[in-house]
Amino acid sequence: AQSVTQPDIHITVSEGASLELRCNYSYGATPYLFWYVQSPGQGLQLLLKYFSGDTLVQGIKGFEAEFKRSQSSFNLRKPSVHWSDAAEYFCAVGAFGSGTYKYIFGTGTRLKVLA
Amino acid sequence: ETGVTQSPTHLIKTRGQQVTLRCSSQSGHNTVSWYQQALGQGPQFIFQYYREEENGRGNFPPRFSGLQFPNYSSELNVNALELDDSALYLCASSFDNSPLHFGNGTRLTVT
Repeated sequence: AQSVTQPDIHITVSEGASLELRCNYSYGATPYLFWYVQSPGQGLQLLLKYFSGDTLVQGIKGFEAEFKRSQSSFNLRKPSVHWSDAAEYFCAVGAFGSGTYKYIFGTGTRLKVLA
Repeated sequence: ETGVTQSPTHLIKTRGQQVTLRCSSQSGHNTVSWYQQALGQGPQFIFQYYREEENGRGNFPPRFSGLQFPNYSSELNVNALELDDSALYLCASSFDNSPLHFGNGTRLTVT
């Protein structure tokens, strides 16, 4: 079955510290992978995507993610967190099936940043 | 470029009522998808429209229906509302299978 797991429901880091958010997926073919960020009361904003090629992808706001096929993972990283990064982060896999293309999302990781 | 816009932003309905949510796609996009995000959960795929035809549906009952118009705007209709329908409803548009661009959602509360 196709699924996305984000093991960490909440993460708290200090401003300036590094960040890694974990994402594991289950998908039978080569996945299309995404990270989105959602601020309170807002929709989802695309941070970065992986379709093929270089397994280390760069996104907006200084974020990057690394696709590791052997571990079925697509972890999101940022070297130095800013207070404005506090939000909820969703990992998603683009899944083909039954003639359609849909996104399967994880349950999200809520990031809190301490001043 | 105009992004995805949704209306209304908030809505309160009573169980058993019907509701219509609206979405204007981002300029140049031909595909619209709707997602339901319950509190504390990730978004769940409801259905997708391409060229005014539904071309995929998630695990939602037929009382969830939609329309896509020639200008690529879209509606989500929910009949016979249930308490569990309370959620944030997100519209997303794309050009074919390019990454989804989401609106800010409509918060529906069913009492």
